[in-house]
Amino acid sequence: DGGITQSPKYLFRKEGQNVTLSCEQNLNHDAMYWYRQDPGQGLRLIYYSQIVNDFQKGDIAEGYSVSREKKESFPLTVTSAQKNPTAFYLCASSLRGRVGEKLFFGSGTQLSVL
Amino acid sequence: GESVGLHLPTLSVQEGDNSIINCAYSNSASDYFIWYKQESGKGPQFIIDIRSNMDKRQGQRVTVLLNKTVKHLSLQIAATQPGDSAVYFCAEIPQGDQFYFGTGTSLTVIP
Repeated sequence: DGGITQSPKYLFRKEGQNVTLSCEQNLNHDAMYWYRQDPGQGLRLIYYSQIVNDFQKGDIAEGYSVSREKKESFPLTVTSAQKNPTAFYLCASSLRGRVGEKLFFGSGTQLSVL
Repeated sequence: GESVGLHLPTLSVQEGDNSIINCAYSNSASDYFIWYKQESGKGPQFIIDIRSNMDKRQGQRVTVLLNKTVKHLSLQIAATQPGDSAVYFCAEIPQGDQFYFGTGTSLTVIP
């Protein structure tokens, strides 16, 4: 089955700890995205990448980092600089990253702070 | 950033009735709109999309209506079923820009 796989489904972070969320896609999509979802708010863009070895900051990139070493993988690291990391994180992809293309989403990772 | 809002945060309908979920958008330059369905603890699923050169588009049991005059988008679900219970949100894409997502409407189908 083609799709986007996020892992883990649930993740707990201790104070001062960096954690990495995994996102893998086998759709052969060029573009990948990370969104943050908080209760009562719309999805907010953290980072996106339209091509391997290149990525751009979204609206709320502070406290996060990403890498795009392979086309199918776009891991997100939540660093200790992110003071309010508790949220539902969604990875998405689109074919070429062009305007007007549909976004396909993974099933999400719920990150909580211990 | 853009704001995409929904008129009602929650909606309850009887099974078999039609549902209408509304969305207001703010950017008159937006030329592409998508409706997503999100079940609890899962990622959003694409339902239907519409471009600004259309005012209506139909899918299986769903219809999206676009009124550019008042910047309003609606999703109609025919013969609502229990499996339709979820949060529905719209997204607008201004020309050359990124997606902007609404906060969502929670639809509950009463058996």
